[in-house]
Amino acid sequence: DQQVKQNSPSLSVQEGRISILNCDYTNSMFDYFLWYKKYPAEGPTFLISISSIKDKNEDGRFTVFLNKSAKHLSLHIVPSQPGDSAVYFCAASAVYSGGGADGLTFGKGTHLIIQP
Amino acid sequence: DTAVSQTPKYLVTQMGNDKSIKCEQNLGHDTMYWYKQDSKKFLKIMFSYNNKELIINETVPNRFSPKSPDKAHLNLHINSLELGDSAVYFCASSQGLAGGAETQYFGPGTRLLVL
Repeated sequence: DQQVKQNSPSLSVQEGRISILNCDYTNSMFDYFLWYKKYPAEGPTFLISISSIKDKNEDGRFTVFLNKSAKHLSLHIVPSQPGDSAVYFCAASAVYSGGGADGLTFGKGTHLIIQP
Repeated sequence: DTAVSQTPKYLVTQMGNDKSIKCEQNLGHDTMYWYKQDSKKFLKIMFSYNNKELIINETVPNRFSPKSPDKAHLNLHINSLELGDSAVYFCASSQGLAGGAETQYFGPGTRLLVL
């Protein structure tokens, strides 16, 4: 049962345009969401995160939007650059009522290809 | 200066062997994790340790045993390797603050192939 879904396995965008990557989740206990970028043969690199008390977080060219009622988040990259070509993973975690570390639940990833 | 490092990067071995993967983090974090990325590319949590104590132990065969000699290291021992253990194993760490919601930082991965 996939609790975090990225329904687009791949996305092709022209350089300079906006890239929009989508993610849906089913577990209403999730309250912290992250995006990771992964190049081949490397580990996932943290990109940006958002907690459930916000609906938007921006960091340079990257913006994450959270719609809690729809259980949907998206990552916007603008303008897209060739170096952005990678696999992007959406991840989520839930805070235990007593606090404590939680494993991340990952989506399957979206392969973003930036075309010159 | 690598924050989360794993050794070896590649591991090819025969079925039935016992092998270990090492992980070290120099971020001063209190919590470390092991994830498995299978052939379908899903990244799944296996274990989590906070200050050398096991916090999360997902449904993983008991052939897999994590060992944390100190909070900067979390090694993964795998006994009696099976073909299905072939995957990429990622180590990660986070600060481990109370509250749970925090960013995890990943190592480069260990590509295990069982023949």
